[in-house]
Amino acid sequence: NAGVMQNPRHLVRRRGQEARLRCSPMKGHSHVYWYRQLPEEGLKFMVYLQKENIIDESGMPKERFSAEFPKEGPSILRIQQVVRGDSAAYFCATRTGTGNEKLFFGSGTQLSVL
Amino acid sequence: DQQVKQNSPSLSVQEGRISILNCDYTNSMFDYFLWYKKYPAEGPTFLISISSIKDKNEDGRFTVFLNKSAKHLSLHIVPSQPGDSAVYFCAASAMVRGGADGLTFGKGTHLIIQP
Repeated sequence: NAGVMQNPRHLVRRRGQEARLRCSPMKGHSHVYWYRQLPEEGLKFMVYLQKENIIDESGMPKERFSAEFPKEGPSILRIQQVVRGDSAAYFCATRTGTGNEKLFFGSGTQLSVL
Repeated sequence: DQQVKQNSPSLSVQEGRISILNCDYTNSMFDYFLWYKKYPAEGPTFLISISSIKDKNEDGRFTVFLNKSAKHLSLHIVPSQPGDSAVYFCAASAMVRGGADGLTFGKGTHLIIQP
C-alpha cells in the first residue's frame, strides 16, 4: 500500500513563474490537507479538500494560491506568479473519513524561488 | 496567535536517559492531540496520540501525558536512542468539529540524542 506521494520533491522557479505541486493520497483516503513549512517555523495549515470540494481554505493566501482535488487524479496546489517569500516546504497529508484524525504525510515538495 | 506552543526549539539528551518534550495549547476546543516525528527531507510521521478523555497513553518507549486543566501535554521517550534524534511536532485537533480544520501544529522541538 503506497503512502502519500508528492511530486516533484524539489521545484525551482523564477519570480513570476507558476508552481504546480501534486499530491496523490494513500489508497482509500479521500481527505487531503496542504500544509506549508517556512524555515524555522512549524507546519501551517493551508487548505482542506475532499473529492471535487474545498472544505476549508482559511489558511490559503487570498491571491495567487489555489487548490483542487478532482474526481480523477491527484490534488494540485497551484501558485501563480511566485515570489521569493513562497519558498518553503509544502506538505500534503491525507486521511480516511470522519472520526479518524490521524494524518499521513507525504515527503513534501521543496519550492525554491530564485 | 499560536494556539499550540512548543517553547523549546531544541533539546539535548544523553542516550539511555529519558527525553521529555513539552507542548502547551490555548484553544479549549482541542480534544485530540498527536505527536509527529520528522527527519530532514522527509514528511512528518505519526508517533502517538491521546484523546482528551484520557490523561496518559503509552506505546512502547513512548508515553504521552495530558493535563487538561493546565492545557499541557508532554511526550516521554525512555530510554532515548540515537534514532530518536529528529524534530518532534505537537499537533491538536477539535474532533467535535469533525476535524474540518485539520491539525494545528507547534513549531517543533529538535531532539538530539548524545551518544
